[in-house]
Amino acid sequence: GAVVSQHPSWVICKSGTSVKIECRSLDFQATTMFWYRQFPKQSLMLMATSNEGSKATYEQGVEKDKFLINHASLTLSTLTVTSAHPEDSSFYICSASAGTGDTGELFFGEGSRLTVL
Amino acid sequence: GQNIDQPTEMTATEGAIVQINCTYQTSGFNGLFWYQQHAGEAPTFLSYNVLDGLEEKGRFSSFLSRSKGYSYLLLKELQMKDSASYLCAVMDSNYQLIWGAGTKLIIKP
Repeated sequence: GAVVSQHPSWVICKSGTSVKIECRSLDFQATTMFWYRQFPKQSLMLMATSNEGSKATYEQGVEKDKFLINHASLTLSTLTVTSAHPEDSSFYICSASAGTGDTGELFFGEGSRLTVL
Repeated sequence: GQNIDQPTEMTATEGAIVQINCTYQTSGFNGLFWYQQHAGEAPTFLSYNVLDGLEEKGRFSSFLSRSKGYSYLLLKELQMKDSASYLCAVMDSNYQLIWGAGTKLIIKP
């Protein structure tokens, strides 16, 4: 089946630094990737929709200048948390669709756990 | 507004059958997904329903009634490894996924 790889799985950083998380579709092309955040014991929250070759679409309340998304190719999207603070500590997950159109099955990356000290 | 409702927590016995319900109110409908999520891990895809009826896949089955805005996930022959959160998500008319809060399923021996 289709595979989405996310890296790194775990990252610990100091407050004020920036962290980049990569999401790759390994065996299919994904024109659209999604970025989610999940706080402990809460549901997934969509942060933004990443479209190859164009600007990401951010959900209400998500700071686009803080969470930079780049979807430079059909197999790679990156999320950069700029000037991270402890409240940004969370589980970040990406997903990509391998189906035709937008109703295909979504495949999720392994997730990246960010801890900001 | 749009919302997805599912029970917060359910408990079942190993070997038994459990049904997790999901009701939804969304602007348009382009399919309903069920995902399984173990603690600390990303969700994994279980099923996708876009037409009314029952879809069976091994021990798991998913049912959809679009007129009632209702779906359920049926898990048979429960195993301890089925202890996880089960997420219901609906794709609306803009192809945005609306997520439920998830149902934590606890399996007891």
